[in-house]
Amino acid sequence: GAVVSQHPSWVICKSGTSVKIECRSLDFQATTMFWYRQFPKQSLMLMATSNEGSKATYEQGVEKDKFLINHASLTLSTLTVTSAHPEDSSFYICSAGGGDYSNQPQHFGDGTRLSIL
Amino acid sequence: GESVGLHLPTLSVQEGDNSIINCAYSNSASDYFIWYKQESGKGPQFIIDIRSNMDKRQGQRVTVLLNKTVKHLSLQIAATQPGDSAVYFCAEYAGNQFYFGTGTSLTVIP
Repeated sequence: GAVVSQHPSWVICKSGTSVKIECRSLDFQATTMFWYRQFPKQSLMLMATSNEGSKATYEQGVEKDKFLINHASLTLSTLTVTSAHPEDSSFYICSAGGGDYSNQPQHFGDGTRLSIL
Repeated sequence: GESVGLHLPTLSVQEGDNSIINCAYSNSASDYFIWYKQESGKGPQFIIDIRSNMDKRQGQRVTVLLNKTVKHLSLQIAATQPGDSAVYFCAEYAGNQFYFGTGTSLTVIP
């Protein structure tokens, strides 16, 4: 159980393009999902907390107009990288948990590798 | 911010040997800890978790030890196999958020 699916797994696009990444909880409902960014050989950096039916909470230094998050249902959150540039190239990962985060693990998608030319 | 681990150390072990991966955390109020395994190009995969009211928890070939006195967490892998080669992250839950360590890269030598 507790499967999180992320799509697409790899995107290559030109600078200036907007890219949408989907995160789905396949066998459970997730009122909250998390979006992370990861650089090579580094840890996960939390970008934002996606809340179903309300606005996302962004971490300090993350531009909310650059990284648009929509959590329209209990099983889907999307991250849109608007007008992407080469510096936005990275590995983006989402996670979700089934309930009380104080005693249940987050389950991660397999990530999306974004390459901006 | 929170500090869970600082660098990306590497660990090489012979196949069949036991592995010990360590993690230091900084928030004494953290009460829930998780170990994740991340293979190249994939998302982190849950291995084992432990709550702060426990010192030790065992799974299949893995054991997590928690020392709250020195704020230290370790993951022990018994009879390490080539498939265990990956980056291992510890995570602590504090302030309604998970904080991840930098990770340790484990290489198993056949």
